[in-house]
Amino acid sequence: KQEVTQIPAALSVPEGENLVLNCSFTDSAIYNLQWFRQDPGKGLTSLLLIQSSQREQTSGRLNASLDKSSGRSTLYIAASQPGDSATYLCALPGDDYKLSFGAGTTVTVRA
Amino acid sequence: NAGVTQTPKFQVLKTGQSMTLQCAQDMNHEYMSWYRQDPGMGLRLIHYSVGAGITDQGEVPNGYNVSRSTTEDFPLRLLSAAPSQTSVYFCASSYSGQGTTEAFFGQGTRLTVV
Repeated sequence: KQEVTQIPAALSVPEGENLVLNCSFTDSAIYNLQWFRQDPGKGLTSLLLIQSSQREQTSGRLNASLDKSSGRSTLYIAASQPGDSATYLCALPGDDYKLSFGAGTTVTVRA
Repeated sequence: NAGVTQTPKFQVLKTGQSMTLQCAQDMNHEYMSWYRQDPGMGLRLIHYSVGAGITDQGEVPNGYNVSRSTTEDFPLRLLSAAPSQTSVYFCASSYSGQGTTEAFFGQGTRLTVV
């Protein structure tokens, strides 16, 4: 069973600082890894999908890296803004494409 | 772009009542699933479906039923609501192709059982 860990559980940074969010997983035989954002009381919004064959994926200020051999993915958010405050979740699909989720990292960006 | 639509958004039930949470997707995805999200527990899989007519249990299926009569719809039924089922419920659909998959989520149903 895929075990997914996200550290830290919470992060508070001043506006403009770069954010580094970590996701670790135990089974390196993966299809891909998906990063989601969740605002309080809202659903999950997909941010980035990084394929198992890729080392990184970029979208605007977001960059996700993937190292299957070490079972790690890192989400970088450049020049953070208060609007980046949210919970960030990583998830990996397994058999029958069922997702295994990390517990999330709650980010607060202070103005 | 409807994507995955869940109804209702909020619901309060009394213990013992039954209800159905609706989920519909318009992306022709084969895979659909239901998760519940609880503080400190993360997202846990309740039931899932790999296609019309096929359903299976996830991690926490007790107290819930599902059916998948069409590709588009995947309702979740609470048979006899209990306070332990107070949670936020998310429906997701996924496509698969060329060795990859991507999941899309609905906005959630916040359920309180009193």
